[in-house]
Order: sequence, then structure tokens, then C-alpha cells
Amino acid sequence: EAQVTQNPRYLITVTGKKLTVTCSQNMNHEYMSWYRQDPGLGLRQIYYSMNVEVTDKGDVPEGYKVSRKEKRNFPLILESPSPNQTSLYFCASSPSSPSYEQYFGPGTRLTVT
Amino acid sequence: KNEVEQSPQNLTAQEGEFITINCSYSVGISALHWLQQHPGGGIVSLFMLSSGKKKHGRLIATINIQEKHSSLHITASHPRDSAVYICAVLNSGGSNYKLTFGKGTLLTVNP
Repeated sequence: EAQVTQNPRYLITVTGKKLTVTCSQNMNHEYMSWYRQDPGLGLRQIYYSMNVEVTDKGDVPEGYKVSRKEKRNFPLILESPSPNQTSLYFCASSPSSPSYEQYFGPGTRLTVT
Repeated sequence: KNEVEQSPQNLTAQEGEFITINCSYSVGISALHWLQQHPGGGIVSLFMLSSGKKKHGRLIATINIQEKHSSLHITASHPRDSAVYICAVLNSGGSNYKLTFGKGTLLTVNP
């Protein structure tokens, strides 16, 4: 089944404790992206990747890192999480660019205390 | 001012009614997406438009590039259509790999 998976789905952590949210797709898509969703602000793009080893900042990259070592995986790294990073996070992929249909993961709800 | 504005923010309808959700944007775009998010959070892509009109079942999406406006229509609405509908645009200037989103329209269809 074609899908985008994220882990974990729920995470409660403390300020400053490094964490990684994994994202994996099995559709051989070149484009992958991370978004955060906050009440009243909607979805905002954090980082995106056009292909292996090619990543770029979205609109809200501060406090996040990404890597794309393999085509199927695009982990989101929070090296020192802060409470303002409490949010619902989505990973998405599409065949070659966001001008194609986006396939979204199920979301990761992160709470930083 | 947000680059992508949706209206209305909230919409309540009776089952069977014709629904229209609007999306206006202020920049040149190369593509526009309509997304659906049900309670519980999952997001699915409904349409990608660069011109004209697309139809899928009871859903119709239109775009007017000159007027920088898109509409999503739902015919014969049903309670299962209750969801948040989100418009997203791909800017044709600068980086054309970034999506900008509207804040969404919460649709509630009552039986």
C-alpha cells in the first residue's frame, strides 16, 4: 500500500531533550516536506527536500534540522525543543515537486513541557 | 496580510445543500491545491489545479488565474463531508518548491 508513515504519532517531552520524528514513504517520491499545524495559524512549511542530499528552508525553519540521506526517509530533528514547538507535525511527499498531488503522513502530535 | 485567504472560516449546512468555499491569493502561482482534513487530523489531497476546472464525484474545483481566485464546490452535501478544507498555493516566483496555505474552512453538514 502506498503510504507515508511517521513515528512517533504522539510524543510528550521536556525542554532541551533532543528528539527525532521519522518520516518514510514507499512511493519512490523525490519531493518530501515537513509542516507544522497550529490553531489559528494553519499549516506552515518547515523544510523541504527536492531529492537525496538536497534540502531547503520553508517558512518556519528555526529550531529544526532535517536530513535526506536516502530517498525514502526524511527525518525531522529538534536538537533542543522548546514549548513553542508544541504542535501537530505532518510529513508529505509527492512525485517530483509540490505541483503534484501531495501525500500526507498521519501526523505527529508533539508536546514540549 | 496572508498570501492565501479563505472564506468563509466556518460554514454550517444542512444535508443536501450546495456548498461553496472560496480561496483568494495575492501572488502569481503555478499550482493550487485543495486539501481535506477530517477530525482526528489526517490530510488528503482533493485536487491540484493550474487552470480551469476539475470534478471528482460530488466535488468540483475551479480556478480563475486572472482573478487569483479558486472555489471548491460540494454538491448534495452529506454529513461525512464535515471537515476542514484547506487551500494551498505554489508560488511561481522565487522558490517554486514552497507551499503557502490558507487557514482553512471548517465545514459542518448536519443531517
